[in-house]
Amino acid sequence: ETGVTQTPRHLVMGMTNKKSLKCEQHLGHNAMYWYKQSAKKPLELMFVYSLEERVENNSVPSRFSPECPNSSHLFLHLHTLQPEDSALYLCASSPNGRGGYGYTFGSGTRLTVV
Amino acid sequence: KNEVEQSPQNLTAQEGEFITINCSYSVGISALHWLQQHPGGGIVSLFMLSSGKKKHGRLIATINIQEKHSSLHITASHPRDSAVYICAFVPGEYGNKLVFGAGTILRVKS
Repeated sequence: ETGVTQTPRHLVMGMTNKKSLKCEQHLGHNAMYWYKQSAKKPLELMFVYSLEERVENNSVPSRFSPECPNSSHLFLHLHTLQPEDSALYLCASSPNGRGGYGYTFGSGTRLTVV
Repeated sequence: KNEVEQSPQNLTAQEGEFITINCSYSVGISALHWLQQHPGGGIVSLFMLSSGKKKHGRLIATINIQEKHSSLHITASHPRDSAVYICAFVPGEYGNKLVFGAGTILRVKS
């Protein structure tokens, strides 16, 4: 365990479903991130939360809705997804916004949209 | 031009071989990460470098900030080293958004 826990590890959902991905860290970090890794593509940043405030939304469609209720938890709410949204979704956290120091990744959620 | 170039894209090695993976970037950075991703998907941070060289077991990472280049070396490679190796960095001195290389798929055969 890295200190960043993601659930579920695998998720299959239909295009009309609503589901949520969960990320939890107890490292005392102030920043949390959602990244997406599609097949044969580099990891892409989706959202950044710093001190529970969203500071970055990297042109992500509104069918992805993040929520950060406190500094230890981050959610990604999914609704009416498309098959091309099938990917690995990785959560990460870092102590603060200084050059990537202390970045810690979760194990990811493998999402399949059918 | 991409901010980061990683090479090779794919690498097959025989057990015991010395392996080198390269990462070149075009922007100023304060630190560079080498990450390992196994087939299950989870990412593990191997090194964070801001200068010089770091060693952990059979893994060695080097960086030349002036030349904007970093290398990851694996000595006495083993099949369990088979994974995707990714370099990543935060552009600039302040900030927290990582930019990732495309990754090197390493397969070590016994």
